[in-house]
Amino acid sequence: SQKIEQNSEALNIQEGKTATLTCNYTNYSPAYLQWYRQDPGRGPVFLLLIRENEKEKREERLKVTFDTTLKQSLFHITASQPADSATYLCALPNSGNTPLVFGKGTRLSVIA
Amino acid sequence: NAGVTQTPKFRILKIGQSMTLQCTQDMNHNYMYWYRQDPGMGLKLIYYSVGAGITDKGEVPNGYNVSRSTTEDFPLRLELAAPSQTSVYFCASSYSRGTTDTQYFGPGTRLTVL
Repeated sequence: SQKIEQNSEALNIQEGKTATLTCNYTNYSPAYLQWYRQDPGRGPVFLLLIRENEKEKREERLKVTFDTTLKQSLFHITASQPADSATYLCALPNSGNTPLVFGKGTRLSVIA
Repeated sequence: NAGVTQTPKFRILKIGQSMTLQCTQDMNHNYMYWYRQDPGMGLKLIYYSVGAGITDKGEVPNGYNVSRSTTEDFPLRLELAAPSQTSVYFCASSYSRGTTDTQYFGPGTRLTVL
């Protein structure tokens, strides 16, 4: 089954810098990959979806890349703010049309 | 729309007790899911349903049961609660399990089994 690795459990950055989070997968190459945000005590909230034929997708300060050769997605938050502090999860289908598999997440802390 | 609602928010059970976690969505989504989230372990899929009357096992189904009699409701039943079932439980729904499968999550139920 699909195995997902997110680069680190925790990432601390200074306000205003760009945060870069990594999601690597090991097996089946998915048709798409998603990123979610989870705040403490709350359920995950969908942020972005990127398809296998899209190299990059942007939405305001967020940018996601998808490299099917490296089996990797990068999630960037530019001009980071303390309000961006949260856990970010990547998710992709296990195989074919199966339900999503979620990574363990990276806890981002933006320090003012 | 309320989205996905879950009750209760918190519950403490004694070993061997049973309970039902309720989940309701008002978005007319076909697909519904139950996850558990343990600290540092990510979301694990327990059961999912592709429509009323149809359910299937996920990664960690042992000790749980589900039913889906309506599109809106997807209750999760714990029989003979064990300390290993202490976790936060999230219900989610999605319109389809196709090229988007964007999932909408409820606020979670924090369950402690003592």
